[in-house]
Amino acid sequence: EVQLVESGGGLVQPGRSLRISCTVSGFSFGDYAMSWVRQAPGKGLEWVGFIRSKAYDGTTEYAASVKGRFTISRDDSKSIAYLQINSLKTEDTAVYYCTRDVTSGWSQYYMDVWGKGTTVTVSS
Amino acid sequence: DIVMTQSPDSLAVSLGETATINCKSSQSILYSSTNNNYLAWYQHKPGHPPKLLIYWASARESGVPDRFSGSGSGTDFTLTISSLQAEDVAVYYCQQYYSTTLTFGGGTKVEIK
Repeated sequence: EVQLVESGGGLVQPGRSLRISCTVSGFSFGDYAMSWVRQAPGKGLEWVGFIRSKAYDGTTEYAASVKGRFTISRDDSKSIAYLQINSLKTEDTAVYYCTRDVTSGWSQYYMDVWGKGTTVTVSS
Repeated sequence: DIVMTQSPDSLAVSLGETATINCKSSQSILYSSTNNNYLAWYQHKPGHPPKLLIYWASARESGVPDRFSGSGSGTDFTLTISSLQAEDVAVYYCQQYYSTTLTFGGGTKVEIK
């Protein structure tokens, strides 16, 4: 069974950093690009960024709203994708989902498998 | 960024009737060389992760009931839910993947009248 399980969310003070993880099973993690999508309370879905597979150098793309503060990485040996968030802001409060992506070459298409999400709350 | 605008924000439909959700992109998301529209639709129920319904604007994901259908081309797209069931209550999102920076529509909430 294909599974994506996010972890590492919680209550964090503004200005601090947090790394959340996405542990996958049931498919060959290294062959896939992975994305992070978030949903702030009462808001819609927002794509945060994605990381390509190692076949495409594991390069990353980010939404303009998070570029410079968010970093996506992967450890193919552990089948884990990470989202590092620095200088946390209250507006980063959201449920963060990781997704498995359908891609072609360097291009990301849509997300065919989603984790259940982890909640990040930024508050003093 | 390509802006995706959905309408209406919400709609209430009687069981067994048809729900129609619109999605408009700020520029064409039709890739002319392949004649594919780079658009997906997702269903998001409370307490659950989003679920892929439709990709390439009209291709149904495996396991998705055939009462869900997608149509449209260029900048204007529609998700149609025929014969609405109680389990279809959810928020529906369109998403473009024409550009490297992916964007979602604001969502349409479907309820039972």
